[in-house]
Amino acid sequence: DTAVSQTPKYLVTQMGNDKSIKCEQNLGHDTMYWYKQDSKKFLKIMFSYNNKELIINETVPNRFSPKSPDKAHLNLHINSLELGDSAVYFCASSQAGTGRWFGKNIQYFGAGTRLSVL
Amino acid sequence: GENVEQHPSTLSVQEGDSAVIKCTYSDSASNYFPWYKQELGKRPQLIIDIRSNVGEKKDQRIAVTLNKTAKHFSLHITETQPEDSAVYFCAAKTQGGSEKLVFGKGTKLTVNP
Repeated sequence: DTAVSQTPKYLVTQMGNDKSIKCEQNLGHDTMYWYKQDSKKFLKIMFSYNNKELIINETVPNRFSPKSPDKAHLNLHINSLELGDSAVYFCASSQAGTGRWFGKNIQYFGAGTRLSVL
Repeated sequence: GENVEQHPSTLSVQEGDSAVIKCTYSDSASNYFPWYKQELGKRPQLIIDIRSNVGEKKDQRIAVTLNKTAKHFSLHITETQPEDSAVYFCAAKTQGGSEKLVFGKGTKLTVNP
């Protein structure tokens, strides 16, 4: 009954390949996120979706494309993988991210996907 | 945009001592400040949070204080235990437009037995 689950947990691939990471939440949350955590442990938001609508798109290369088929799922597809893409990618979800709920933005994280590009 | 600075980057204490981690933020409109704990190889997990209408919040051995005027907030852990060893992240939630959590760069806390 994991709240936020992402697969795979580990992903090892060659440069130039295309790969996808999947995320699902069963908390009934409206908003989902993708974060990248680099080797220095810095957590940086990449994307956020609210009810399947993209609301945050940070400065991320076009090779990264999120897709939200419904509000419980947010997948991340990465084209033409590069060495610098190696990191841990975390999915997260929260109840609301639109400001209607004062301060309510408790984010629950998935277990992470460790991507290694060789 | 919002910028969150976190200090120190590493902190080593003896078991039983207190640990304090400090963060500053730049956007005075930010209204929610969570703290996350990330153990080695695990996911970040919320340990305590504070909203901008409150100055202090305590939960057993951990407490958070917020000074809105100075735009800084701190995490206090008392009677530290080895299992408190982890990386701690502060964050601030931006307001308006695309709301998001902006994280500090983390503090690696080591509690020595």
